[in-house]
Amino acid sequence: EDQVTQSPEALRLQEGESSSLNCSYTVSGLRGLFWYRQDPGKGPEFLFTLYSAGEEKEKERLKATLTKKESFLHITAPKPEDSATYLCAVVGTGNQFYFGTGTSLTVIP
Amino acid sequence: DAGVTQSPTHLIKTRGQHVTLRCSPISGHKSVSWYQQVLGQGPQFIFQYYEKEERGRGNFPDRFSARQFPNYSSELNVNALLLGDSALYLCASSWTGYNEQFFGPGTRLTVL
Repeated sequence: EDQVTQSPEALRLQEGESSSLNCSYTVSGLRGLFWYRQDPGKGPEFLFTLYSAGEEKEKERLKATLTKKESFLHITAPKPEDSATYLCAVVGTGNQFYFGTGTSLTVIP
Repeated sequence: DAGVTQSPTHLIKTRGQHVTLRCSPISGHKSVSWYQQVLGQGPQFIFQYYEKEERGRGNFPDRFSARQFPNYSSELNVNALLLGDSALYLCASSWTGYNEQFFGPGTRLTVL
C-alpha cells in the first residue's frame, strides 16, 4: 500500500539554526514527490516537485532532495516567517496523491 | 492570474443535512481533486476528476459524491452529514492530475 511517513512531527528551531525534515515513502511506480507548506487554516502552498532519485530543487532557504526511499527538506538559516506545517505527498501509478501528516516547524526569534 | 477559488469559506450544518461545496480551478487546468483534512492530519484524497470524468476515488462512503462541469469547475456533495464530517475540505487543480496540484483556501465545514 502506498504511504508517506514524515518526521519529526514537530520541530522547534532558533532563528538561523539549520535542520532537515524527513519524508519516507512507499509507492508503486513513483510519478512524483511533492512538498507543500501549510499555514494554519489555509490551503497548502506548493513548494517543489521531485521526479527521480538524485534530483534536487532549491528555493530561497529551502532545498529538497530525493532518494529511492525518502526525501529531505533542508532549511538553511530559517527565519520566523518559515514557521508552518510542511507536508510531503507522493503520487504513483495508482494516480492518487498520498499525503503525510506533516512536520510542524516553529522558528523562534 | 486567479488561483483556485472555493465557496463557501465556512459552513455550519446539523447532522443529517446535505452540503454542496464548490471549486473553480486555475484557468487552463483540466483536473480537480477534492481532499478532506482534519486537524493535525494531512489531506485525505476523496475524488479526482479529469475532463469531467471521475479518475479516482478515495476510501470515503457513498454519501460523498462529486462532479465536474464543462468549464472544469467542480462540486462536492455530502449527504446525511455526520459529526465526523467536520473538517477542512480542500480543492486542488492541476494540468493533468499527476503533476503538482495547486490548492484553494478550503471550506471549513462544522457539523453540529
